[in-house]
Amino acid sequence: DTGVSQDPRHKITKRGQNVTFRCDPISEHNRLYWYRQTLGQGPEFLTYFQNEAQLEKSRLLSDRFSAERPKGSFSTLEIQRTEQGDSAMYLCASRGTGPTEGQFFGPGTRLTVL
Amino acid sequence: SQKIEQNSEALNIQEGKTATLTCNYTNYSPAYLQWYRQDPGRGPVFLLLIRENEKEKRKERLKVTFDTTLKQSLFHITASQPADSATYLCALDGGAAGNKLTFGGGTRVLVKP
Repeated sequence: DTGVSQDPRHKITKRGQNVTFRCDPISEHNRLYWYRQTLGQGPEFLTYFQNEAQLEKSRLLSDRFSAERPKGSFSTLEIQRTEQGDSAMYLCASRGTGPTEGQFFGPGTRLTVL
Repeated sequence: SQKIEQNSEALNIQEGKTATLTCNYTNYSPAYLQWYRQDPGRGPVFLLLIRENEKEKRKERLKVTFDTTLKQSLFHITASQPADSATYLCALDGGAAGNKLTFGGGTRVLVKP
């Protein structure tokens, strides 16, 4: 399967714990995006990378959130000291640099903070 | 601030009819507008992209229109089928800013046989 993959698919954690999610984009895509989606809402942009450079972060991304893409391939999103409000689906997407390309989304990681 | 509105009420439609979804936006000048399909528990799937200087785009049974004066896009599914039942998301792409997407809340479509 050459699509975008995310791991884990589901994560249940207790408030205050740290969690880390991984995204493997389509191999030839140099742009990678993270979004967060809550029930009944559309995805909200969190951050994006071009190769290994993190070029933009949303104001939604508090200092408890950090993302990396160390070698310009896979990416990780870490949430420290999780709060119940962090419960959501975390989606990763990738695309190439052509102007009229859509984004290819992974299946998401559903986070539940108890 | 930017605002994108899609009809939050589900659209129930009979098989074979045309489903029409609306996406309205304010305080934004997108270079591109995209439509995605999302099934429950899955990530969105890209369907169509239309540029700001295009009026209409078609792909198989799908048609998208884009009116930058009205700040509105219409998404049509012709000859709808039960397999078209899903949530459809409108997304604005500013272009230069890394092509990040700003999504509407989505409209759920239910096609009844």
